[in-house]
Amino acid sequence: RKEVEQDPGPFNVPEGATVAFNCTYSNSASQSFFWYRQDCRKEPKLLMSVYSSGNEDGRFTAQLNRASQYISLLIRDSKLSDSATYLCVVMRGATNKLIFGTGTLLAVQP
Amino acid sequence: SQTIHQWPATLVQPVGSPLSLECTVEGTSNPNLYWYRQAAGRGLQLLFYSVGIGQISSEVPQNLSASRPQDRQFILSSKKLLLSDSGFYLCAWKLRQNSGNTIYFGEGSWLTVV
Repeated sequence: RKEVEQDPGPFNVPEGATVAFNCTYSNSASQSFFWYRQDCRKEPKLLMSVYSSGNEDGRFTAQLNRASQYISLLIRDSKLSDSATYLCVVMRGATNKLIFGTGTLLAVQP
Repeated sequence: SQTIHQWPATLVQPVGSPLSLECTVEGTSNPNLYWYRQAAGRGLQLLFYSVGIGQISSEVPQNLSASRPQDRQFILSSKKLLLSDSGFYLCAWKLRQNSGNTIYFGEGSWLTVV
């Protein structure tokens, strides 16, 4: 079983739709949580950190449930430019290693 | 501001040939450094990480090695490439622990072993 699990998708949604991605992690010692975005053949870039209290950045909302070891990302009013792979990431250990999920592919259709 | 650069961006190498990918970070000191690989259709896999000059930890047994000859330089090497070494290699850095959690990636290096 992978340490970080995500639905690979693809999620095909129309512009303006709301879409939610889910992620689970198996190591309860995980300390920090993130969502990264990766465009095709490019490096991953930080989208947002995820906090237990939930956090929002514009159209993006991230939630963390430590008890269930579950992370989510909600994208409202989807844009064509949101099309990408979204990577769920956890950080753990004394050396702050990042463990990546395999990513969820989002395709926003006009 | 901090920047990270890795090269070459793309390379095609025959099986059995050596490999050297280089990564440098500017604008910071004492970073944690990482090498990741992303094989086709798979997630990012941590290969090596380093918390200081000459300090290398390997995550998975493989045909590759890493070195950190200077504080902000991280090198990924192989003496003899295998077909299975093909993939997208990413160097990354972050501030030392307790100084920030965000990790930043270089532009990546596409390696095709033929």
